Amino acid sequence: GAVVSQHPSRVICKSGTSVKIECRSLDFQATTMFWYRQFPKQSLMLMATSNEGSKATYEQGVEKDKFLINHASLTLSTLTVTSAHPEDSSFYICSASGGGSFGNTIYFGEGSWLTVV
Amino acid sequence: TQLLEQSPQFLSIQEGENLTVYCNSSSVFSSLQWYRQEPGEGPVLLVTVVTGGEVKKLKRLTFQFGDARKDSSLHITAAQPGDTGLYLCAGGSGNQFYFGTGTSLTVIP
Repeated sequence: GAVVSQHPSRVICKSGTSVKIECRSLDFQATTMFWYRQFPKQSLMLMATSNEGSKATYEQGVEKDKFLINHASLTLSTLTVTSAHPEDSSFYICSASGGGSFGNTIYFGEGSWLTVV
Repeated sequence: TQLLEQSPQFLSIQEGENLTVYCNSSSVFSSLQWYRQEPGEGPVLLVTVVTGGEVKKLKRLTFQFGDARKDSSLHITAAQPGDTGLYLCAGGSGNQFYFGTGTSLTVIP
């Protein structure tokens, strides 16, 4: 089946620095990828929809200058948390819409734990 | 915006009991998925339903899509500790996917 891979799975960074998280679709080309943030025992909160070759669409309340999304190819989207603060510490998950033989199903990455100290 | 409301939000039951989780919306979806997520991991797809009234079974799990394609339910028979996790429904319409509020299930041995 479709596989979406995220890297790194865990990252610790100092307050004020930037950190990049990668999301790759391994078995298919993903024209659309999604980035979510999740707090413990809560559902996924959509941050932005990333479209290959165009600007990401951000959900209301998400700072696009703080959470930079780049979808430069059909298999890779990146989320950069700029000037990170401790309140940005969270579980970040990406997903990709398979399309084609994978239909309209979303496949998720393994998630990335970000801790800002 | 949460278009899909799940109930209950938290559920703690004894091993062997049955349970049902509901996913409700005022919107119509072309497809609906159910996912199960364990702490620190990404959600894992359990099932996709696309036809109103559709019922799918996955071992002890039974999924139903409402006739109007606005709601869905997940029924677990004889729950086991391994069923513990966060259950998420997600509705698809066009290229948009919306997640439910989540149901955190704990099955006590």
